[in-house]
Amino acid sequence: DVKVTQSSRYLVKRTGEKVFLECVQDMDHENMFWYRQDPGLGLRLIYFSYDVKMKEKGDIPEGYSVSREKKERFSLILESASTNQTSMYLCASSTDFLGEQFFGPGTRLTVL
Amino acid sequence: KNEVEQSPQNLTAQEGEFITINCSYSVGISALHWLQQHPGGGIVSLFMLSSGKKKHGRLIATINIQEKHSSLHITASHPRDSAVYICAAPGEYGNKLVFGAGTILRVKS
Repeated sequence: DVKVTQSSRYLVKRTGEKVFLECVQDMDHENMFWYRQDPGLGLRLIYFSYDVKMKEKGDIPEGYSVSREKKERFSLILESASTNQTSMYLCASSTDFLGEQFFGPGTRLTVL
Repeated sequence: KNEVEQSPQNLTAQEGEFITINCSYSVGISALHWLQQHPGGGIVSLFMLSSGKKKHGRLIATINIQEKHSSLHITASHPRDSAVYICAAPGEYGNKLVFGAGTILRVKS
């Protein structure tokens, strides 16, 4: 069974902390994505990666960075967490860039 | 910019009813996705279609490329169909998927 896993389902952090969200896929997919999901706004793309060590900004990259050192792992980093980064974060992977994406279970992050 | 709009935003139905969720987009596309998200759960892909119609169990997706419109139908709805349904289409430059805001469906028994 194909799988995308995320390091935490729920996370509570304080303003100013550095936060790491990890995503691992076991499907040997080239493409990996980080989204945030907020009520009424749908899924918004933060960053994506089409190969190891390659990354591209999405629609809302400000305040975030990413790392892809291995094909199966894509990390999202909040350099200095702020309350407006409280959200659901979803990781996804795919073979074809605009093809079917496989999503992780999500991490609900609360920044106090 | 490809605007992807869904309607309705919220939908409540009685068990057994036929349900339709609509999705429209502003820029010509190669394929459109329908996805499902259960409460507290991850997102799963239901369909990816570029023309005509696709069927999986009680779910049917149709697309009209000329009218830039797609519909997701659920026949004989059941409470377990309660979820958020999301459509997604390629962005204007084909460099990402653009997601609709989602339709929250609740099916009552």
